[in-house]
Amino acid sequence: DIQMTQSPSSQSAFVGDRVTITCRASQTISRYLNWYQQKPGKAPELLIHAAYTLESGVPSRFSGSGSGTDFTLTISSLQPEDFATYYCQQTYSTPFTFGPGTKVDIK
Amino acid sequence: QVQLQESGPGLVKPSETLSLTCTVSAGFISTHYWSWIRQSPGKGLEWIGYIHQRGSTTYNPSLKSRVTISVDTSKNQFSLKLRSVTAADTAVYYCASTSGGAYAQVDYWGQGTRVTVSS
Repeated sequence: DIQMTQSPSSQSAFVGDRVTITCRASQTISRYLNWYQQKPGKAPELLIHAAYTLESGVPSRFSGSGSGTDFTLTISSLQPEDFATYYCQQTYSTPFTFGPGTKVDIK
Repeated sequence: QVQLQESGPGLVKPSETLSLTCTVSAGFISTHYWSWIRQSPGKGLEWIGYIHQRGSTTYNPSLKSRVTISVDTSKNQFSLKLRSVTAADTAVYYCASTSGGAYAQVDYWGQGTRVTVSS
């Protein structure tokens, strides 16, 4: 199985801050990397697929980058509704696997 | 937009079979792959497997011996059966649609249903 790691595991930030979350795969996965946002008590929601393709309706302050083994999710200016947990997922090979998550909370 | 809703028992006894059904909004059952994903505090998000609307399945090897995913297109439903459950199978179970495109992203999720394995 491909192992996914994320850093940091949690991050405290102010509204307006630039936030960067890193995801690393245990082997190369090309661009087969998706990002999800999950708020407490809710299902995850898809933000980005194929490493950097923003889903319809997702604010442009979210962006993704990377290829191979190292990927980044960036929130350019954190908004109150962005406080949540973020997960990466590889879909390069089954079983598809998720990272452990990065919780972004209010500083 | 696809809507999904899980249904099934919230409590299952150890060694028994966990059975969940996901009802998909009309018109979509034949257009996606249909996935089951679970989430527990100990294991995070875990992909269980998916089924194509034509019936082909792919399962997580860690669960493959105990899992069956099936689809009933006439009812706009797909289902999960997990046999011989233990406390380790306690989790929130999500049904979800997975894009049939190259990147297999999970584009829509059900709200999730909490299943506890306990006697």
